[in-house]
Amino acid sequence: NAGVTQTPKFRVLKTGQSMTLLCAQDMNHEYMYWYRQDPGMGLRLIHYSVGEGTTAKGEVPDGYNVSRLKKQNFLLGLESAAPSQTSVYFCASSYSRAGGAFHEQYFGPGTRLTVT
Amino acid sequence: AQKVTQAQTEISVVEKEDVTLDCVYETRDTTYYLFWYKQPPSGELVFLIRRNSFDEQNEISGRYSWNFQKSTSSFNFTITASQVVDSAVYFCALSDPTTSGTYKYIFGTGTRLKVLA
Repeated sequence: NAGVTQTPKFRVLKTGQSMTLLCAQDMNHEYMYWYRQDPGMGLRLIHYSVGEGTTAKGEVPDGYNVSRLKKQNFLLGLESAAPSQTSVYFCASSYSRAGGAFHEQYFGPGTRLTVT
Repeated sequence: AQKVTQAQTEISVVEKEDVTLDCVYETRDTTYYLFWYKQPPSGELVFLIRRNSFDEQNEISGRYSWNFQKSTSSFNFTITASQVVDSAVYFCALSDPTTSGTYKYIFGTGTRLKVLA
């Protein structure tokens, strides 16, 4: 099992450019999440998905869009990149809440994005 | 509102010392879960433990132990006889139910632990 993978690992964008970050998981998890990590601010949730075809906003969704067309993939898009979006982006997945439990998340290795 | 506070931004200890990382949470829910994750210098996030609100027993795993106290809304993490390999950023997280019955998580801002040889 590869677990959670993210593509690309590094990227440098100019202000105004667009890009898509790809997250893939092979654990048949229902839930998937996108976070950004900035110094001193921990992990902040951008968007999440609780199943194929569904997405929801997290804490810091502005400037980002997402899609979950396939259960195993969760895409994060930046339509017009800004320097404030310079960050490390993490994707995570987890089992659903079936049975009432909250399960731990499995994280990808992260994507380091710089917007100049 | 759901909240996780890790007041210790950075801690430095000398190898073999014991160290405790604090985590204080706020929640309106009666059923909730707490988590700890480790982020070593390589950058990946590694799951350490999950604890539900109905289980207040302390847990020990090797040199790691966790103290969950509902009365003080705390879920503290102790490393005994610390080693250089324990140097990392440690995150505490809390389950955050959504109105649709699913869930997400709230993370603390993390504590950077430096273990000096």
